[in-house]
Amino acid sequence: KNQVEQSPQSLIILEGKNCTLQCNYTVSPFSNLRWYKQDTGRGPVSLTIMTFSENTKSNGRYTATLDADTKQSSLHITASQLSDSASYICVVSTQTGANNLFFGTGTRLTVIP
Amino acid sequence: GAVVSQHPSWVICKSGTSVKIECRSLDFQATTMFWYRQFPKQSLMLMATSNEGSKATYEQGVEKDKFLINHASLTLSTLTVTSAHPEDSSFYICSASRREGIEQYFGPGTRLTVT
Repeated sequence: KNQVEQSPQSLIILEGKNCTLQCNYTVSPFSNLRWYKQDTGRGPVSLTIMTFSENTKSNGRYTATLDADTKQSSLHITASQLSDSASYICVVSTQTGANNLFFGTGTRLTVIP
Repeated sequence: GAVVSQHPSWVICKSGTSVKIECRSLDFQATTMFWYRQFPKQSLMLMATSNEGSKATYEQGVEKDKFLINHASLTLSTLTVTSAHPEDSSFYICSASRREGIEQYFGPGTRLTVT
């Protein structure tokens, strides 16, 4: 069964600290893995997309890693800011196109001053 | 580039009425549009996929007669919730993709409350 699991479900950190969110998947075949940021009451915004051959990809203070062998990914946020408070969703695709996305349930991150 | 808008951003309607939600790709041609529903503290659930000029493909368990989807142009798709009931209250999000693209660009979502 194709599944995407994320941990932790929620996380509270102090402003300025770093954090790492985890994503494990059983989706097969694998095409690419995406991380999205979703602010409350808004649509998801893409942070990174990684294909099978990519181990790491950065977008500003966000760095995603991918281990296709163990089917794990992580999203590392450096020097957190209050505006980083959001849900972070891991999404795995089975095809090269835009279809067939499998969504994780997300990690709710709260950054406090 | 790749901006997707939704209208309205929120709507309240009475039980039994119908509500139309619009999804527009503002700066690109969207050959495929997707409609999702998201309940509180849950992830997005795909409702249907529509290609321009074709009938939408609905996910299992989604009533096509209740959730009418029209993708009449390369920049506009609409979702009509017919005879809405309180259990239809949810956050509806659309996304759009280009031809042969891998990225889905999400709209800001529409909060529907049925009273």
